[in-house]
Amino acid sequence: DTAVSQTPKYLVTQMGNDKSIKCEQNLGHDTMYWYKQDSKKFLKIMFSYNNKELIINETVPNRFSPKSPDKAHLNLHINSLELGDSAVYFCASSPTGTSGGFNEQYFGPGTRLTVT
Amino acid sequence: DQQVKQNSPSLSVQEGRISILNCDYTNSMFDYFLWYKKYPAEGPTFLISISSIKDKNEDGRFTVFLNKSAKHLSLHIVPSQPGDSAVYFCAANLGGGGTSYGKLTFGQGTILTVHP
Repeated sequence: DTAVSQTPKYLVTQMGNDKSIKCEQNLGHDTMYWYKQDSKKFLKIMFSYNNKELIINETVPNRFSPKSPDKAHLNLHINSLELGDSAVYFCASSPTGTSGGFNEQYFGPGTRLTVT
Repeated sequence: DQQVKQNSPSLSVQEGRISILNCDYTNSMFDYFLWYKKYPAEGPTFLISISSIKDKNEDGRFTVFLNKSAKHLSLHIVPSQPGDSAVYFCAANLGGGGTSYGKLTFGQGTILTVHP
């Protein structure tokens, strides 16, 4: 009973293709995130959704489009894949914070995307 | 412009001794700091956090120290165990709520190896 799951775990595809990565959490959290870990190992936030509403949208190319059908799912669709998109993508979730507090994020296992 | 830095790419410690992992930040608006642990092929796992209004937080073998004037935090693991061998990420949250909530900025990680 994995808390945050992602599919697929590995994805190898060619430049120009369109692909999706799916994320599901069974923790009852209402906020979900996508992070990208690049070749230098930095984890950088891309998007966050709260109750299906987009909250954080970092400077990510328009080719990346997150979709949240419900608060337990946050999928990432990538159009016209480029070599530079090769990275590990992590999904995460957290409860919504209350004033004065902060709730840690729970991460999925990651999806390693390789664009050839 | 990396606002959270972990300047030691790796650390090697003998079992039973203390491990000290360091993290520096530049943005004085960060209000929460977190440490995550990551094993290969898995997502980061939350370890411990500290609010910017505190200077120490302890949880079992793990203690985080925050020095706001120096913009520095450290994670102490005592005693270190071989199972602690992993990559440790420092992360910081930008205060202010709203679209800043949950926007974690990560350091590039430190590989800890604990030798039996």
